Amino acid sequence: GENVEQHPSTLSVQEGDSAVIKCTYSDSASNYFPWYKQELGKRPQLIIDIRSNVGEKKDQRIAVTLNKTAKHFSLHITETQPEDSAVYFCAASTQGGSEKLVFGKGTKLTVNP
Amino acid sequence: EAGVAQSPRYKIIEKRQSVAFWCNPISGHATLYWYQQILGQGPKLLIQFQNNGVVDDSQLPKDRFSAERLKGVDSTLKIQPAKLEDSAVYLCASSFAGNGYTFGSGTRLTVV
Repeated sequence: GENVEQHPSTLSVQEGDSAVIKCTYSDSASNYFPWYKQELGKRPQLIIDIRSNVGEKKDQRIAVTLNKTAKHFSLHITETQPEDSAVYFCAASTQGGSEKLVFGKGTKLTVNP
Repeated sequence: EAGVAQSPRYKIIEKRQSVAFWCNPISGHATLYWYQQILGQGPKLLIQFQNNGVVDDSQLPKDRFSAERLKGVDSTLKIQPAKLEDSAVYLCASSFAGNGYTFGSGTRLTVV
């Protein structure tokens, strides 16, 4: 079955810097890759997603890139702010997201003021 | 649009006791998922329903966990008997035609 690896497990940046989180997946049939932000004690919230027919997607300060050949995808956050501090999870799914999501283990991002 | 409702928010039980969690998905969402999130890890799928049928329960510990979605709407997840390693947050999510998941707030279970 699908396996998603996520790195790094923790990331600390200064406010205004960029943060990059990387994930690799094993199942070449995966075609939907969402990213979730989870604040302490709260539910995971979808922040951006990308489908396999697209190489890059951007939403304001957040972007995701996908390399299908290498089977990896990355989350880029620019101009980080303290409120970006949270745990970020990548995930992968087949069937365009109609099937189960397989999650990475998460990255704890800390943005220092 | 109302979100995915879950109850209770918190539950503390002793090992070997039983517990049940309830989920009400977003209206019209045919697909419902139960995930287990152990502290410090990503959510792991326990079971997926499409309407009232089970699509995937390959990672559900069937000797102690059970789930149902009798009328294709609400769902209940039960653990009997509970073990210490079942301490986790149980997240319910729903989706419609693969258009993004919406997670509930979860039930935090502590087994002592």
